[in-house]
Amino acid sequence: GENVEQHPSTLSVQEGDSAVIKCTYSDSASNYFPWYKQELGKRPQLIIDIRSNVGEKKDQRIAVTLNKTAKHFSLHITETQPEDSAVYFCAASKVTGGGNKLTFGTGTQLKVEL
Amino acid sequence: DSGVTQTPKHLITATGQRVTLRCSPRSGDLSVYWYQQSLDQGLQFLIQYYNGEERAKGNILERFSAQQFPDLHSELNLSSLELGDSALYFCASSASTRTGGRETQYFGPGTRLLVL
Repeated sequence: GENVEQHPSTLSVQEGDSAVIKCTYSDSASNYFPWYKQELGKRPQLIIDIRSNVGEKKDQRIAVTLNKTAKHFSLHITETQPEDSAVYFCAASKVTGGGNKLTFGTGTQLKVEL
Repeated sequence: DSGVTQTPKHLITATGQRVTLRCSPRSGDLSVYWYQQSLDQGLQFLIQYYNGEERAKGNILERFSAQQFPDLHSELNLSSLELGDSALYFCASSASTRTGGRETQYFGPGTRLLVL
């Protein structure tokens, strides 16, 4: 089955700096890669996603890049703010007519310091 | 608010007991997914239903079962509970299992289960 590795497990940045979180996946058939943000005790919230036919996607301060050959994808957050502090999860899935099970990475605790 | 609702928010029970977790998907969503989040296992996919039928299965224990009803709400049944079943259980929903922008999953607020 799919295996997703995520690094780093913790990341501390100064407000205004950029943050980068990296994930690798094992199943070359995976075609959907979402990123979720989870605050303590709350539900995971989708912040951005990318499909395998796209190499990069951007939404304001957030961007995701995908390298299918190397089987890795990354989340980039620019101009970080204290409210960006949370746990971020990457995930991968092979979306077919039969299902869409997300395999999650182990999470990155991002702390944005003033 | 994602539009996905889950009840109850918290559940405290004893080992050996059985509990039922309930999920209502977003209006119009046909797919429901169940995930377990624990400190040692992270976020783990359990099972997916699409329009009443099981569509994908993860590492769901035999003591756990789920179903999706005609009104599309879903229930996750956990039986013979063990201490290790203590976790956050999330339900998510999506519009469809097909590709083309329909695979986005929206998570509910979760049910926190504590087995004593």
